[in-house]
Amino acid sequence: NAGVTQTPKFQVLKTGQSMTLQCAQDMNHNSMYWYRQDPGMGLRLIYYSASEGTTDKGEVPNGYNVSRLNKREFSLRLESAAPSQTSVYFCASRPAKMIEQFFGPGTRLTVL
Amino acid sequence: AQSVAQPEDQVNVAEGNPLTVKCTYSVSGNPYLFWYVQYPNRGLQFLLKYITGDNLVKGSYGFEAEFNKSQTSFHLKKPTALVSDSALYFCAVSERAGANNLFFGTGTRLTVIP
Repeated sequence: NAGVTQTPKFQVLKTGQSMTLQCAQDMNHNSMYWYRQDPGMGLRLIYYSASEGTTDKGEVPNGYNVSRLNKREFSLRLESAAPSQTSVYFCASRPAKMIEQFFGPGTRLTVL
Repeated sequence: AQSVAQPEDQVNVAEGNPLTVKCTYSVSGNPYLFWYVQYPNRGLQFLLKYITGDNLVKGSYGFEAEFNKSQTSFHLKKPTALVSDSALYFCAVSERAGANNLFFGTGTRLTVIP
């Protein structure tokens, strides 16, 4: 089991560019999540998908879109990157009968 | 509204001494509480959780946490600190089982001094 994998590990964008962060899990988990981590602010939920085919906004969804492509994959898209989106992005997943989430290694994104 | 406070940005402890990382929470109903650890350039790893029952919860790597409802606290503890315990620790809360909104504290950096 690879667990939760994220690509890329690092990315530098210019303001206005777009990109998609990829996340996949091989644990057959129903729910998947995208968080951002900023210094001094802990993790904040951007979007989540409670099950395949559904997505919902979290605490800080503005400037992002998501796609739950299938049960394994949950992508996060920045359509027009802004410097305020410089952050470390974490994907997580959770099986139906557990309450704790399992995290990927993160993507460090810098927007210039 | 749910919230978590970790009042200490940094905790230093000598190797071999007991350690405590503090967490207080606020939820409208019964809390579900978690501790996660983050090592440098890694994702968060689950340490332990409190759902209901015994107020002392045991988790991975010798860590435990004590739930105190009257003080709305969930402090992380370990009897004997190791240098390898040095990391960033996050407390998190949700207000019901299966909830998709986990609210995290701002993290406490633990440094164990040899």
